[in-house]
Amino acid sequence: GQQLNQSPQSMFIQEGEDVSMNCTSSSIFNTWLWYKQDPGEGPVLLIALYKAGELTSNGRLTAQFGITRKDSFLNISASIPSDVGIYFCAGQRSGGSNYKLTFGKGTLLTVNP
Amino acid sequence: KAGVTQTPRYLIKTRGQQVTLSCSPISGHRSVSWYQQTPGQGLQFLFEYFSETQRNKGNFPGRFSGRQFSNSRSEMNVSTLELGDSALYLCASSPPDGPGSTDTQYFGPGTRLTVL
Repeated sequence: GQQLNQSPQSMFIQEGEDVSMNCTSSSIFNTWLWYKQDPGEGPVLLIALYKAGELTSNGRLTAQFGITRKDSFLNISASIPSDVGIYFCAGQRSGGSNYKLTFGKGTLLTVNP
Repeated sequence: KAGVTQTPRYLIKTRGQQVTLSCSPISGHRSVSWYQQTPGQGLQFLFEYFSETQRNKGNFPGRFSGRQFSNSRSEMNVSTLELGDSALYLCASSPPDGPGSTDTQYFGPGTRLTVL
């Protein structure tokens, strides 16, 4: 099935550094979502993007919906230890009642204090 | 408002058995989606239910089935379990904002299924 290419697969950074990760697709999506998953928990929605070119912030997180509608990136500024976790991008195509989300394989973020 | 709850949290079964997982959505949510998460394949969409009807289906074999009750609670069933069915099964609920409003899909903690 449809896959999103998410990179990098993992990142090891020092506390205070900025982080950037991205997702690309061969198909167009109408909505891009970014989730974070902690061990033993379900994914938690961080940011939702609905329009091509849209740039949205949530605290230290900033995400953008690519102009081509085939990509999105997530930036985390001034990382802290609690940012550790797996970050997933997800895309959704509109049309009727299509609620299916397609997920990237995740970026594992480790923050060294 | 309580979040999405899933039971049980952990389950161990043997090959050939069947299993039923339960999901209670956030109060007022009518859409429930199920996903399988494995290290190799990531998060894969299983199916979505809305008002007791399966509205979308992923690419999983017929051994995977689900249903939704009138109170929006949902169950998924896996029959004739295989080793490869070991995974974290997540359900997510969405508020009743009409078509296309997946932006607020809220996930439960998941059920960790181990097949021996």
